[in-house]
Amino acid sequence: ETGVTQTPRHLVMGMTNKKSLKCEQHLGHNAMYWYKQSAKKPLELMFVYSLEERVENNSVPSRFSPECPNSSHLFLHLHTLQPEDSALYLCASSQTLAGAPQYFGPGTRLTVL
Amino acid sequence: GNSVTQMEGPVTLSEEAFLTINCTYTATGYPSLFWYVQYPGEGLQLLLKATKADDKGSNKGFEATYRKETTSFHLEKGSVQVSDSAVYFCALSRTQGGSEKLVFGKGTKLTVNP
Repeated sequence: ETGVTQTPRHLVMGMTNKKSLKCEQHLGHNAMYWYKQSAKKPLELMFVYSLEERVENNSVPSRFSPECPNSSHLFLHLHTLQPEDSALYLCASSQTLAGAPQYFGPGTRLTVL
Repeated sequence: GNSVTQMEGPVTLSEEAFLTINCTYTATGYPSLFWYVQYPGEGLQLLLKATKADDKGSNKGFEATYRKETTSFHLEKGSVQVSDSAVYFCALSRTQGGSEKLVFGKGTKLTVNP
């Protein structure tokens, strides 16, 4: 498999559930990102990891918990979400933190009931 | 601050029509500029980029020129196809704290009819 993959592609969860989103990049990149894409709003950068270290957390609520066990994998753990958290969650990677375009996965469409 | 403004959609064209999607930016310093495309059900794909003033990015028949004097990066294509139907995002990159961040516009949905 090539590029950036994300699983699951679709997820429906209740407000009390705990679930995780997975992202894997096969590009040998060192930086990975989580974005939230909501209707009628610009993409929102949530988290940035470089070489498995979190370098940015853009005031994201604690009900979203990222994990980066190695440079190829990135997780987003979800718990006690709200309906307004329903969105498309996109993962991206880049060669380094600076000076590189980002390559995106297909996203996970999350619906919170 | 840094921001990107692109024309509101949706845009509906007939096949072989000329396409322009306007994008203007506000930034400190000299950002790189990008156009990304998102086809239905997929993530964003890098379409083209320009890294300095007067650079022209091009790919798949699309072009955009980095205009510093007008702070613009308009996307153009001479003859669109049905397969170009997608959402197009203009973005700039800014370097902060040693990392490069992308700032996106809200996206413009393009529909091309046969």
